[in-house]
Amino acid sequence: DIQMTQSPSSLSASVGDRVIITCQASHDISNYLNWYQQKPGKAPKLLIYDASNLKTGVPSRFSGSGSGTHFTFTINSLQPEDIATYYCQQYDNLLYTFGQGTKLEIK
Amino acid sequence: QITLKESGPTVVKPTQTLTLTCSFSGFSLSTSGKGVGWIRQPPGKALEWLAIIYWDDVKSHSPSPSLKSRLSITKDTSKNQVVLTMTNVDPVDTATYYCAHLSFTVTGNWFDPWGPGTLVTVSS
Repeated sequence: DIQMTQSPSSLSASVGDRVIITCQASHDISNYLNWYQQKPGKAPKLLIYDASNLKTGVPSRFSGSGSGTHFTFTINSLQPEDIATYYCQQYDNLLYTFGQGTKLEIK
Repeated sequence: QITLKESGPTVVKPTQTLTLTCSFSGFSLSTSGKGVGWIRQPPGKALEWLAIIYWDDVKSHSPSPSLKSRLSITKDTSKNQVVLTMTNVDPVDTATYYCAHLSFTVTGNWFDPWGPGTLVTVSS
């Protein structure tokens, strides 16, 4: 089974900052990596699919990169409405795994 | 527009069987490249993938030792429903249970959109 290591587990940043979250897979998953945003009391929403593709309608300040085992999720110019928990999710051989989540707070 | 909604009991007693239904619209599970997955989230904790069923009736379940033999997933294409069954529930199974539409493509797979979720409490 693939293990996903997401870091940091929590993050405090100021409005306008660049925020970076990483996910490390235990072995090569090509680009089978997606990123979700979950606001309190709500269901998760897809932001990035296939490691670097921005879902239609998602603000361009969100981006993703990486392939193989190391992946990065970036928010350029953090906005107050970005306060949420972010999860990576991988797919490999019919199995799916979520990272442990990164809780993002505003300073 | 794709929508999904979970339904089922809000409280289940330990050792009982939990049955959850995902009712969806906006797509057919007989269409190639479609799937419906179940994901849960214990209060204050991370998301955990449980099971998935694809358009061709291929199924996959979490390999977690605590779940592997307890999960069953089926689909009723005519009713646009997917049913998840979990046997022998325990208080640690208390969680919000989500179903989600899966896009299965040559480049990857992703869950979008998700249902609003249903909170299930396991308690005597």
